[in-house]
Amino acid sequence: DAGITQSPRHKVTETGTPVTLRCHQTENHRYMYWYRQDPGHGLRLIHYSYGVKDTDKGEVSDGYSVSRSKTEDFLLTLESATSSQTSVYFCAISEQGSDNQPQHFGDGTRLSIL
Amino acid sequence: LAKTTQPISMDSYEGQEVNITCSHNNIATNDYITWYQQFPSQGPRFIIQGYKTKVTNEVASLFIPADRKSSTLSLPRVSLSDTAVYYCLVGKSSGYSTLTFGKGTMLLVSP
Repeated sequence: DAGITQSPRHKVTETGTPVTLRCHQTENHRYMYWYRQDPGHGLRLIHYSYGVKDTDKGEVSDGYSVSRSKTEDFLLTLESATSSQTSVYFCAISEQGSDNQPQHFGDGTRLSIL
Repeated sequence: LAKTTQPISMDSYEGQEVNITCSHNNIATNDYITWYQQFPSQGPRFIIQGYKTKVTNEVASLFIPADRKSSTLSLPRVSLSDTAVYYCLVGKSSGYSTLTFGKGTMLLVSP
């Protein structure tokens, strides 16, 4: 399995608090992604990164920010968490190269906003 | 982004071959077709990818007709551990483009 570690794996917090989720990879892959998964919606892309300090928005980026200061780490921040951001968050990575490099996913972070 | 349509759920029994068909009528010329598998409480796992004709690996086969407007994931002799959600995606897997996951097909394998 691809070396992807998400932390924390579970978190419960209150509305209005800041939350940061971390994705750490040991594969030296160029591309990293953050998804959220909710019942009835499948996985939806929040933000992605195509290199250090290079990021772009995905389908559901409102309320989220990301940072990538080094290749191996991609951080997802909820500046002021809301109950609608209760979800399971997945990080994924893919290798630089041809367009058909598959994405490899972490095991997810279950986030509950009360 | 090309939209995909696949059955919401399928049932099968151990030892049977399972075929899951995905429709993608507006697939672009340079799009690939990729299938992922997801177990509860885990991230999706790459199964197979193809561009045209047939692709086979140790887990599954992928059949793509000449017009590429659909594809079929074939799982030979399924077991209980193949119970999972299967996603069909069309597009480029990596780089600047992004993938759109639909709701997938929930495959339930019974004894």
